[in-house]
Amino acid sequence: EDKVVQSPLSLVVHEGDTVTLNCSYEVTNFRSLLWYKQEKKAPTFLFMLTSSGIEKKSGRLSSILDKKELFSILNITATQTGDSAVYLCAVYPIQGAQKLVFGQGTRLTINP
Amino acid sequence: KAGVTQTPRYLIKTRGQQVTLSCSPISGHRSVSWYQQTPGQGLQFLFEYFSETQRNKGNFPGRFSGRQFSNSRSEMNVSTLELGDSALYLCASSLEDRGYGYTFGSGTRLTVV
Repeated sequence: EDKVVQSPLSLVVHEGDTVTLNCSYEVTNFRSLLWYKQEKKAPTFLFMLTSSGIEKKSGRLSSILDKKELFSILNITATQTGDSAVYLCAVYPIQGAQKLVFGQGTRLTINP
Repeated sequence: KAGVTQTPRYLIKTRGQQVTLSCSPISGHRSVSWYQQTPGQGLQFLFEYFSETQRNKGNFPGRFSGRQFSNSRSEMNVSTLELGDSALYLCASSLEDRGYGYTFGSGTRLTVV
């Protein structure tokens, strides 16, 4: 069965630190890997990755996919308290049910 | 443009009752998916509708059902509620029929007592 594992499950850092969140997956073939940020209820879209080795960047956030080693990372530099949230990684398989397979999420807390 | 709208925002029900949750997708989006989010299991796929047809269903008992109307609005129904059904139910819509560009609603928080 398709599986997505995120680590760490929880992370507490100080404002200004840089963090790296990890997402590994056991999916035979997938169309895309997506990162979401969930602050209170609605997960909001951050990145969609389809190609290995190409970094996606948005402000202080960046993400990259390694299809050979089956993982992705999400980096946040110069963290701010507003970055505190649960970060979700999801994979959209090509075969089987057309659905997002989510990891457990990483709860990131930024202390001032 | 308006986002994905889910109603109600909060709901408290008693064991054994049934409940109906509603989701209005972004205008023009024809794909609507439902997910259950609990602290222990994370986000679990319930079902997906496209143009009024259920295309996929997750591993949930038959007490969980849904439908989609011609205007793409969707409802999900849970019958004979159990305590374990307490969760945040999230609806997501997308323009294309392969899940790209999911936009999530704020969810319905269901508490079963």
